[in-house]
Amino acid sequence: GQNIDQPTEMTATEGAIVQINCTYQTSGFNGLFWYQQHAGEAPTFLSYNVLDGLEEKGRFSSFLSRSKGYSYLLLKELQMKDSASYLCAVMDSNYQLIWGAGTKLIIKP
Amino acid sequence: IAGITQAPTSQILAAGRRMTLRCTQDMRHNAMYWYRQDLGLGLRLIHYSNTAGTTGKGEVPDGYSVSRANTDDFPLTLASAVPSQTSVYFCASSVSGSTDTQYFGPGTRLTVL
Repeated sequence: GQNIDQPTEMTATEGAIVQINCTYQTSGFNGLFWYQQHAGEAPTFLSYNVLDGLEEKGRFSSFLSRSKGYSYLLLKELQMKDSASYLCAVMDSNYQLIWGAGTKLIIKP
Repeated sequence: IAGITQAPTSQILAAGRRMTLRCTQDMRHNAMYWYRQDLGLGLRLIHYSNTAGTTGKGEVPDGYSVSRANTDDFPLTLASAVPSQTSVYFCASSVSGSTDTQYFGPGTRLTVL
């Protein structure tokens, strides 16, 4: 079967750095997406990785290792507004997104 | 402002009733999707459409139907609602049905009693 695993919840301090991991097993791979979802709102796109390596976009970076079935989202200089759920999703061989349950990130002052 | 709209925002429905959730996008995207989101689970694809006039089944299609008469609209119908269909429903769209980024509407919170 297809499976996306990510931690249920993480806590970090304002101004710090946090890494959210995602491991996957899917039938085929056409890229990995990270989305941010604030409580009661829609998911919003953060990043897309299809090749191995690190993609940096401002305070957020995303890493992919296809051989290990592993990705992480790195958030730097954490702000209170970063409190949200972070969703990892893999596009399978049918170009359908398989979603993890999300990681709820709590930022403390 | 370009984007995706969904209606209603929320709805309480008696079991056995028929309900249509509406979704409209003005970005001229070819592909559209319906997901449900339940606590503790990832988003699950219900139905999708890669272009106007075509639809396909996702992971959890039973009890739901869709149509795609034009590019902009993609309604989701529950023919006879059951309590297990209580969920938050998100509509999304992308330029094409490949690796393009999916953009989400604000969601419809549906409660079936």
